[in-house]
Amino acid sequence: EVQLLESGGGLVQPGGSLRLSCAVSGLTFASFAMTWVRQAPGKGLEWVSGISGSGGGTYYADSVKGRFTISRENSKNTLYLQMDSLRVEDTAVYYCVTGQTTGGGYWFDPWGQGTLVTVSS
Amino acid sequence: QSALTQPRSVSESPGQSVTISCTGTSSDVGVYNYVSWYQQHPGKAPKLMIHDVSKRPSGVPDRFSGSKSGNTASLTISGLQAEDEADYYCCSYAGNFAYVFGTGTKVTVL
Repeated sequence: EVQLLESGGGLVQPGGSLRLSCAVSGLTFASFAMTWVRQAPGKGLEWVSGISGSGGGTYYADSVKGRFTISRENSKNTLYLQMDSLRVEDTAVYYCVTGQTTGGGYWFDPWGQGTLVTVSS
Repeated sequence: QSALTQPRSVSESPGQSVTISCTGTSSDVGVYNYVSWYQQHPGKAPKLMIHDVSKRPSGVPDRFSGSKSGNTASLTISGLQAEDEADYYCCSYAGNFAYVFGTGTKVTVL
């Protein structure tokens, strides 16, 4: 069974930083692209960032480009999201998600349980 | 990248069918056959229901089906059941390794 376990969420002041981690088990981690998706309280889903299996390709939504950095450590089966210059509007549950594909676009499955990031003074 | 447009809510009686639309543009839904759908119950993580417009993962009931015409994708739930009451989100590849989700639709089983 594939399991994704996020950690690192919490309360941070505007302008601050936070690093999220996602420990993955039950699959050959390096073979899969990974993604972060967030959901603000009471709002919809937003794709935040993605990374290829090797880590050589990284991709970001315009809303976080230049502030967030996605990375992975395949030897530890772990995905990261470094979040800098945090804003109030970054407040959300952040989900770690596996990217699946048959060679074209990706779909997202399975999902972690999410970790809450609150940006407030 | 703007969110794909979905109706805020749909409702129907048990056993009936509902269809949720997901309208994008010629830069996402209209040009790529990489539309997926997710079901989310309150307080839970989303669950994949459909990928690549109309492909159903193993374990998802065949009551769920997907389609696409032009810039609009659709999810149909036939034979509606109480456990289908949830929020549903579409998602499309938008080029340049970016993805866009829909605004979400609340399905209510009357």
